[in-house]
Amino acid sequence: RKEVEQDPGPFNVPEGATVAFNCTYSNSASQSFFWYRQDCRKEPKLLMSVYSSGNEDGRFTAQLNRASQYISLLIRDSKLSDSATYLCVVTQAGTALIFGKGTTLSVSS
Amino acid sequence: GAVVSQHPSRVICKSGTSVKIECRSLDFQATTMFWYRQFPKQSLMLMATSNEGSKATYEQGVEKDKFLINHASLTLSTLTVTSAHPEDSSFYICSASNSRGGSNYGYTFGSGTRLTVV
Repeated sequence: RKEVEQDPGPFNVPEGATVAFNCTYSNSASQSFFWYRQDCRKEPKLLMSVYSSGNEDGRFTAQLNRASQYISLLIRDSKLSDSATYLCVVTQAGTALIFGKGTTLSVSS
Repeated sequence: GAVVSQHPSRVICKSGTSVKIECRSLDFQATTMFWYRQFPKQSLMLMATSNEGSKATYEQGVEKDKFLINHASLTLSTLTVTSAHPEDSSFYICSASNSRGGSNYGYTFGSGTRLTVV
């Protein structure tokens, strides 16, 4: 079983749509959780950290369920510029980031 | 904010030659450097972890004699792909971590190196 699993998609949605991505992780010792965004042929960029209490940053909402080892990302009012691959990432303090394969989002006008 | 400069961004080399990739932390001390590679439509896979002044720790299946990592200073780490072959063609990317005390670590990525071996 892979450490971090995501539905690869692609998710093809129109502008303005709401889209949700899910992710599961296998290591119950994982302590920190993130969503990264990666554009084609570029380095990944941190989108947001994920906390058990849930957190929101503008149109983006992330949730963590430690009991189910499940992480989600919700994007509201999708923009064309949201088209990218979204990477679910987990880690323990001071160790390497472990990446999921990524979920590809394509937003069209 | 923290910046990691990675060079070269793109390199094409002949099979059998060696390629060196550099990652420099410009405004912080990178106590730990993580090296990843990413094949098309795949996730970033950790290759090795290096701490300044000590030998790198390689992940299972990564040949340490083929992928030489040097982390001689707190601002520079290098990855050398020796005797490169076409199957080594990939996107290589570094991630620097600096300890901020306690359990709060930051990760800063280089911009990646796209290696093509012909």
